[in-house]
Amino acid sequence: GEDVEQSLFLSVREGDSSVINCTYTDSSSTYLYWYKQEPGAGLQLLTYIFSNMDMKQDQRLTVLLNKKDKHLSLRIADTQTGDSAIYFCAENFGAGSYQLTFGKGTKLSVIP
Amino acid sequence: DSGVTQTPKHLITATGQRVTLRCSPRSGDLSVYWYQQSLDQGLQFLIQYYNGEERAKGNILERFSAQQFPDLHSELNLSSLELGDSALYFCASSVGMGNTEAFFGQGTRLTVV
Repeated sequence: GEDVEQSLFLSVREGDSSVINCTYTDSSSTYLYWYKQEPGAGLQLLTYIFSNMDMKQDQRLTVLLNKKDKHLSLRIADTQTGDSAIYFCAENFGAGSYQLTFGKGTKLSVIP
Repeated sequence: DSGVTQTPKHLITATGQRVTLRCSPRSGDLSVYWYQQSLDQGLQFLIQYYNGEERAKGNILERFSAQQFPDLHSELNLSSLELGDSALYFCASSVGMGNTEAFFGQGTRLTVV
């Protein structure tokens, strides 16, 4: 079945870059997503990438997709304390639907 | 603010009881999705409705059911509650059936005691 794996924790210093990694199993996924969840809050869509793309950049966020290795990463440049949150990688396995398989989430801690 | 409204924000109930969670999608969105976030299972897709009809089903227990009403709001009914049903339940909405983006509500935190 579909499976998405992420490391559970990442700690970086303020101003450094953060890289959160994710591996997925379903090669038929058309879109892959990054969501952010702050304490007590809902899921905020950060960005997504279509499976035929290698890279997508959106301000401080860069998504890299290696389809051969089924590896997705999210790079946050100039990480700020406000970036402290849990980041979820997700793949869309539902054709014609928005059925996402989420990873367990990576908790990013930013040290001032 | 995503535009998706979920009520109530918190719910505490006893085992064996039944509860109803409500979701109002963003204006114009026809699809509603329900997800469950628990400590052991993580985030799991439960069910999708599109314009009042069930469209896709995920890991939803038989004790759970959902519906989408003509005004497009949706309700998730959880019955014969068990301690393990304690979780954060999210609703999301999108314009069509399989869009590139869906927007999540703030969630309803259910605690079964």
